[in-house]
Amino acid sequence: EPEVTQTPSHQVTQMGQEVILRCVPISNHLYFYWYRQILGQKVEFLVSFYNNEISEKSEIFDDQFSVERPDGSNFTLKIRSTKLEDSAMYFCASRGRSFYNEQFFGPGTRLTVL
Amino acid sequence: SQQGEEDPQALSIQEGENATMNCSYKTSINNLQWYRQNSGRGLVHLILIRSNEREKHSGRLRVTLDTSKKSSSLLITASRAADTASYFCATGRGRDDKIIFGKGTRLHILP
Repeated sequence: EPEVTQTPSHQVTQMGQEVILRCVPISNHLYFYWYRQILGQKVEFLVSFYNNEISEKSEIFDDQFSVERPDGSNFTLKIRSTKLEDSAMYFCASRGRSFYNEQFFGPGTRLTVL
Repeated sequence: SQQGEEDPQALSIQEGENATMNCSYKTSINNLQWYRQNSGRGLVHLILIRSNEREKHSGRLRVTLDTSKKSSSLLITASRAADTASYFCATGRGRDDKIIFGKGTRLHILP
């Protein structure tokens, strides 16, 4: 069964450093998403990506964040200068064409900013 | 009950009993989905119900959707210890179907 994969599973970084979180969505999917979950809190939408551009982003997704689909298979989330409050689990998701297709979530990357 | 984006709740029941979780939301939706998460791990998709559907079944799961009341319920029948987890109601919205999650219901099945 196809699945979304994410690497690394756990990333530890120093405050102010740049991090790149990687995701490989399901190959024939068209919509891609990043969500995050701060420990003990709900899952929050960050950004959606379609047709090689950001289609929607939340207030959380400020200038420190960026996304890319560099090679047609990977989908990355970059945080330019990490802050302590960026510590969270980051989930990538992808979906097919229809609103009636479920979003498939990856296992997540736990980001710890020290 | 879960209140869309504002829904903390905990529920403890005996193994074998049925568990019912409720969810409400405030805006128009494309669909409503339920997810399970064990102890801060990955999100497991359970079921999706379209905005034009009223009820859906999958194994021991039954989901209802009332768009006039902007509410949904998830019923887990004959609960098992392995059902212990957090359950999230999530609504798909907008042209890209971004998902807005509730805060979840923590379900604990007692042996």
